[in-house]
Amino acid sequence: ELKVEQNPLFLSMQEGKNYTIYCNYSTTSDRLYWYRQDPGKSLESLFVLLSNGAVKQEGRLMASLDTKARLSTLHITAAVHDLSATYFCAVDNTLKAAGNKLTFGGGTRVLVKP
Amino acid sequence: EAQVTQNPRYLITVTGKKLTVTCSQNMNHEYMSWYRQDPGLGLRQIYYSMNVEVTDKGDVPEGYKVSRKEKRNFPLILESPSPNQTSLYFCASSFVDRGNSPLHFGNGTRLTVT
Repeated sequence: ELKVEQNPLFLSMQEGKNYTIYCNYSTTSDRLYWYRQDPGKSLESLFVLLSNGAVKQEGRLMASLDTKARLSTLHITAAVHDLSATYFCAVDNTLKAAGNKLTFGGGTRVLVKP
Repeated sequence: EAQVTQNPRYLITVTGKKLTVTCSQNMNHEYMSWYRQDPGLGLRQIYYSMNVEVTDKGDVPEGYKVSRKEKRNFPLILESPSPNQTSLYFCASSFVDRGNSPLHFGNGTRLTVT
């Protein structure tokens, strides 16, 4: 059974500093997704990582995937208040033939303080 | 506008009273799925559908039914709701091609069963 763990569960950030969220998963997969959820809102796709060594960047967020270590990181550079949200990673369960069988991590709640 | 539409947004009901949550997408996606979100547990998949008339169980299917008679619609049915089904529900859709197609989520349905 695929398990996806995120660390930390909660992250209090200071504006202007850098932080990293970790996503570990337990079985082979080469597809990993990052989503953002604002309070009371739906989930918004941030990144799709499709191969070992993949790196994607958008603004102050950068995501990477190491399939050998079964680890993805979401790096936040110079945090700003607008980045306050809950971030989820989700791993495609390649053990299933059907597409998009995603298993989600528990989420990392990020609060950026002035 | 490309979107996944869920209705209702909020629903309060009593134990045992059958209910249906509707989901519709206008992006011609083959794949549709239902998730429930509970604090500390991330999102867990209830059912998914690869195409019309093709559905399969996710990780937590007990107490739920689905149908996929048309490509755009994927209703979630609770025949006899119980309090442990109180949760936030999300419908999501994507193309079946797993290469680079993240899930698109609806705005969620907050269900309370008393």
